[in-house]
Amino acid sequence: EPEVTQTPSHQVTQMGQEVILRCVPISNHLYFYWYRQILGQKVEFLVSFYNNEISEKSEIFDDQFSVERPDGSNFTLKIRSTKLEDSAMYFCASSGGQGGQPQHFGDGTRLSIL
Amino acid sequence: AQTVTQSQPEMSVQEAETVTLSCTYDTSENNYYLFWYKQPPSRQMILVIRQEAYKQQNATENRFSVNFQKAAKSFSLKISDSQLGDTAMYFCAFKSNFGNEKLTFGTGTRLTIIP
Repeated sequence: EPEVTQTPSHQVTQMGQEVILRCVPISNHLYFYWYRQILGQKVEFLVSFYNNEISEKSEIFDDQFSVERPDGSNFTLKIRSTKLEDSAMYFCASSGGQGGQPQHFGDGTRLSIL
Repeated sequence: AQTVTQSQPEMSVQEAETVTLSCTYDTSENNYYLFWYKQPPSRQMILVIRQEAYKQQNATENRFSVNFQKAAKSFSLKISDSQLGDTAMYFCAFKSNFGNEKLTFGTGTRLTIIP
């Protein structure tokens, strides 16, 4: 069964550094998402992406965050200047359509900011 | 804005027993979608089951079924013949049918299956 793949599985970064989290969505999916989960808390929506542009973003997704689909397969989340509170599990998801089409999640990238 | 509430932070049940996880939500919309996701200790998020609000019939996937009460805005998950592999965090999630594509998650229920 097709999967969403995320790399790396764990990223350790110094505060203030830039970090790029990578995702390869399921190949025929058109809608892409990033969520984050701070340890012990619920999963929170960050951003959705369709047709090469952001379709929705949450208040968490401030100017420090950006997303990009640099080629036909990758979908990246960049954090420009990381803060301690950015430490979390970041999940990428993709969906084949709108409405009731389920979002399929990757295994996540654990981001640790030192 | 929609909210999703899971009032049971933790539950445990003996292997082979049946367990029900509760979820309530708040929305003014009539058409929407509800999901249960499972997050085992490995941390991946796995879709368990989904329900379209316009369908009265409760969704079923093997040992997993839901009790969807639209008027009460309730969406509980029943796991029958529970297995050790069902040990996980379970999240209820809401998705609007109107352009808004994000999933809104509840705080989760940690389910432990006791051998």
